[in-house]
Amino acid sequence: LAKTTQPISMDSYEGQEVNITCSHNNIATNDYITWYQQFPSQGPRFIIQGYKTKVTNEVASLFIPADRKSSTLSLPRVSLSDTAVYYCLVGGYNTNAGKSTFGDGTTLTVKP
Amino acid sequence: DTEVTQTPKHLVMGMTNKKSLKCEQHMGHRAMYWYKQKAKKPPELMFVYSYEKLSINESVPSRFSPECPNSSLLNLHLHALQPEDSALYLCASSQTTSGDQNTGELFFGEGSRLTVL
Repeated sequence: LAKTTQPISMDSYEGQEVNITCSHNNIATNDYITWYQQFPSQGPRFIIQGYKTKVTNEVASLFIPADRKSSTLSLPRVSLSDTAVYYCLVGGYNTNAGKSTFGDGTTLTVKP
Repeated sequence: DTEVTQTPKHLVMGMTNKKSLKCEQHMGHRAMYWYKQKAKKPPELMFVYSYEKLSINESVPSRFSPECPNSSLLNLHLHALQPEDSALYLCASSQTTSGDQNTGELFFGEGSRLTVL
């Protein structure tokens, strides 16, 4: 199983760019990297997913180095509403080979 | 708006009760999941159904009994629960679990908040 390690918490201010890094040293060849956002008492919500290099969508960017042993979620110009827990998830679900596990997540607090 | 619907949103039950949590999705996903989440902890996988068949059971106690009547529905039957089973129960679905393609993209419902007295 690909275990992930993230910082427990991060603080930022409105308008700043936030980068959250996740370590996944034993990532498998076929594993994707997916980031989720979770607000209190809600289910996690998909943010972005990638396999290698850089992926960008309307809310975030994901940077993955060539060795794929880590990844960085970049949130541009955060607002108060971005205060949430962010989870890095590596792998997926394959009925034959394995599954992925949520790490402990990073609690991001955005201050005014 | 989530496309995975869970009912009820809140449930309070005694240790001798029998209740069920329900989950529904109409995205055509063929994999469905149950997770348990305690306060300030990450979601923990309980069960995975792939093409309506149970494919992963993470050593969950038998007082939790999953059921997948069809590709759109997933139930979690609860019986003789303990107070420590109080948690947020999350249902999720994904497009596929088979083959070498591991995308890991999960669509979660809002969860059912369970309190066991």
